[in-house]
Amino acid sequence: DTAVSQTPKYLVTQMGNDKSIKCEQNLGHDTMYWYKQDSKKFLKIMFSYNNKELIINETVPNRFSPKSPDKAHLNLHINSLELGDSAVYFCASSPSSVLSYEQYFGPGTRLTVT
Amino acid sequence: AQTVTQSQPEMSVQEAETVTLSCTYDTSESNYYLFWYKQPPSRQMILVIRQEAYKQQNATENRFSVNFQKAAKSFSLKISDSQLGDTAMYFCAFMKPNSGNTPLVFGKGTRLSVIA
Repeated sequence: DTAVSQTPKYLVTQMGNDKSIKCEQNLGHDTMYWYKQDSKKFLKIMFSYNNKELIINETVPNRFSPKSPDKAHLNLHINSLELGDSAVYFCASSPSSVLSYEQYFGPGTRLTVT
Repeated sequence: AQTVTQSQPEMSVQEAETVTLSCTYDTSESNYYLFWYKQPPSRQMILVIRQEAYKQQNATENRFSVNFQKAAKSFSLKISDSQLGDTAMYFCAFMKPNSGNTPLVFGKGTRLSVIA
């Protein structure tokens, strides 16, 4: 029933590890996004995909690699985790239409790097 | 690049009172969309209200309304009859339309506390 889901909701790991966050949407949307919310609650776009193709890649370290196996899924893999990667990561999706543009957010994944 | 500014980091309001949260933005676009999102302690991002820049009429959703001043690039949110459940972070966001797949640009947020 959930529109945009993320797993896991919480992730605690040590520096240097590699981890993945998964996102799935069942809304039939063409576009998916990853946003990062830092410790000061500031939200910023990281990536956007449209129909499995990377559209936007903001100035994100190349340790972060998004992958979209199909248009309903957008995963985020992070290599060599650093303390500064600790944040809440939100997945979102939206239809590709100027008539219907609302973005639907997942519940977020709180990543803590120790 | 577009920027969104929320000048009030924190605000508080008594239950049942009215509060207005400020937001200004900077863009050279003539058409765009503006949003207010609510993030309660559960951290879920909830869309509160949206406004299309080409519409002159201010959007309203029950107790929530906006004052959209396009020339001044201002987009404030008014919450009437504040309830304890309105306690949350509120984010103003801008989106440039481009076939509906452009990302949101957020302000830094205003933490609203509703006091009983």
